[in-house]
Amino acid sequence: AAGVIQSPRHLIKEKRETATLKCYPIPRHDTVYWYQQGPGQDPQFLISFYEKMQSDKGSIPDRFSAQQFSDYHSELNMSSLELGDSALYFCASSFYTYNEQFFGPGTRLTVL
Amino acid sequence: AQTVTQSQPEMSVQEAETVTLSCTYDTSESDYYLFWYKQPPSRQMILVIRQEAYKQQNATENRFSVNFQKAAKSFSLKISDSQLGDAAMYFCAYRSAAGTASKLTFGTGTRLQVTL
Repeated sequence: AAGVIQSPRHLIKEKRETATLKCYPIPRHDTVYWYQQGPGQDPQFLISFYEKMQSDKGSIPDRFSAQQFSDYHSELNMSSLELGDSALYFCASSFYTYNEQFFGPGTRLTVL
Repeated sequence: AQTVTQSQPEMSVQEAETVTLSCTYDTSESDYYLFWYKQPPSRQMILVIRQEAYKQQNATENRFSVNFQKAAKSFSLKISDSQLGDAAMYFCAYRSAAGTASKLTFGTGTRLQVTL
């Protein structure tokens, strides 16, 4: 079965640089979620989109922005990167009438 | 705001034995969903089991079952016949049934070791 695709899988950036993370949901899924998991931490919700509209917003820094496109893929844009942004970034998708969120493999971002 | 608490940072179980992971949560909502996710060393988040709050019957998926006590706001995971592949971090998660695209709120996780 098709799964959530995230790219890139690994990303290394310098402080103050920008990064773009991409997420391709499972086919027919209309909802995308972004989570950030720091080292030794539980995943923290950042933002979600339903039918290309922002649905919910969590503890997402103002330096970050995201959107969902017409083909339902989503991109998380991160600017002025800080050392503390180093984390595993998960994208998850769901079909809104169902409960489960299916997670992608994550993008490991390292900020040097 | 909802909170999820996992009071056991680490647990250990012998292969073929049974282990129970604890989870409590706090919410003022009456309708919600609860999940257990497994995160092995690969860091992939894998859904283990789900429970709808309106269902009194405890969910079961093969060797995994839950004990859902709504009044006590408790949601424990029982793993029977433990296998080496069960070794992972386990996260309990809460999701509101209100609105669309409701986020998951996770507990801090329990690291499960499986020994021979």
